Amino acid sequence: SQKIEQNSEALNIQEGKTATLTCNYTNYSPAYLQWYRQDPGRGPVFLLLIRENEKEKRKERLKVTFDTTLKQSLFHITASQPADSATYLCADMGHNTNAGKSTFGDGTTLTVKP
Amino acid sequence: DGGITQSPKYLFRKEGQNVTLSCEQNLNHDAMYWYRQDPGQGLRLIYYSQIVNDFQKGDIAEGYSVSREKKESFPLTVTSAQKNPTAFYLCATRGGQGPNQPQHFGDGTRLSIL
Repeated sequence: SQKIEQNSEALNIQEGKTATLTCNYTNYSPAYLQWYRQDPGRGPVFLLLIRENEKEKRKERLKVTFDTTLKQSLFHITASQPADSATYLCADMGHNTNAGKSTFGDGTTLTVKP
Repeated sequence: DGGITQSPKYLFRKEGQNVTLSCEQNLNHDAMYWYRQDPGQGLRLIYYSQIVNDFQKGDIAEGYSVSREKKESFPLTVTSAQKNPTAFYLCATRGGQGPNQPQHFGDGTRLSIL
């Protein structure tokens, strides 16, 4: 079955370093991957997305890559700050026969220490 | 104020009781979704609706029911058949059908068993 997996449950880094989060997909090829941020007790908030034929996408301190050979997307936060501490989710919104049927990974909880 | 309103924020269910979670949106979005989130885990899709008067089962629909009689509203009923209903429930909308369209989330309803 189609799966999205985020390898790390938790990632702890020092302020100012770059955080790198991983999202792997198996048994299919998503047309896009989306990344969301979720704070405790709140709904996720969309951050950015990348198309399968784009190598890289940037937005301020955020960067996303899409590697169809490795079947993987990486999400980077440069110059990380304690305010970046949250859970980050990757997601596919479905396409073709599964149009509209969304799939989310389990998320990676990032803690940035001052 | 545009957005998605979920109510109530906290809900308690007695054994054998059905409860209904409300989700209302004024974003004029066609698609609406219900997810369940258990502690430390990602989002699992319960039901989704891409248009009024139509909805599809997600990955964990058993024990739940929905209706979509109005574009603005997508209530979720947790029936007594759902034996483990304690979780955080999130409602989302999406403005378009394409896989590049992000989801917008409400702030959730936390359901507990009395």
